[in-house]
Amino acid sequence: AQSVTQPDIHITVSEGASLELRCNYSYGATPYLFWYVQSPGQGLQLLLKYFSGDTLVQGIKGFEAEFKRSQSSFNLRKPSVHWSDAAEYFCAVGPPMNRDDKIIFGKGTRLHILP
Amino acid sequence: SQTIHQWPATLVQPVGSPLSLECTVEGTSNPNLYWYRQAAGRGLQLLFYSVGIGQISSEVPQNLSASRPQDRQFILSSKKLLLSDSGFYLCAWSLFGNQPQHFGDGTRLSIL
Repeated sequence: AQSVTQPDIHITVSEGASLELRCNYSYGATPYLFWYVQSPGQGLQLLLKYFSGDTLVQGIKGFEAEFKRSQSSFNLRKPSVHWSDAAEYFCAVGPPMNRDDKIIFGKGTRLHILP
Repeated sequence: SQTIHQWPATLVQPVGSPLSLECTVEGTSNPNLYWYRQAAGRGLQLLFYSVGIGQISSEVPQNLSASRPQDRQFILSSKKLLLSDSGFYLCAWSLFGNQPQHFGDGTRLSIL
């Protein structure tokens, strides 16, 4: 069965430090991959997506993610975090060959920023 | 461009009262529509999704129901709210099931 795992429930980093949020998936084929961000009391906003091609994907707000097939991972990175990056981050996977099936979300990682 | 509207932003209701949350999408036709609930610290729970007018799929048995009376309108309802219905409700749309979902700003529902 398809699944997506975000191993870290909470992550704390200092402002200006680099960030990596982990996402692992279980899927029969290379899925579509997504990262979303949710600020407190808000809806989810799409940060970036991977469908195919270049395995390093650039997104909004200075984020990037790298697809690693051998590790079934799609980790989100940012070289230098800002206090405004404090939020919850969700990884999601979707079926590439069946456009009628739904994407599924991980349980999220809450990012805390130390001043 | 496409936009999604969800209202109200906050709602406080007594136990046993009815509920109606509305979501509308503009700028696209025949979108897939979704209702999610977020309980504190528990991630996203898909409640209902719809691929067309009158077509509703329920993901979990519960006290809630959904309807899609128009192409771009999705309504979440309950006849009698329970304390356990408290949470943050999110509506979303996508072009197809495997495409990115786009979310509304959510409704914070508190049951007293």
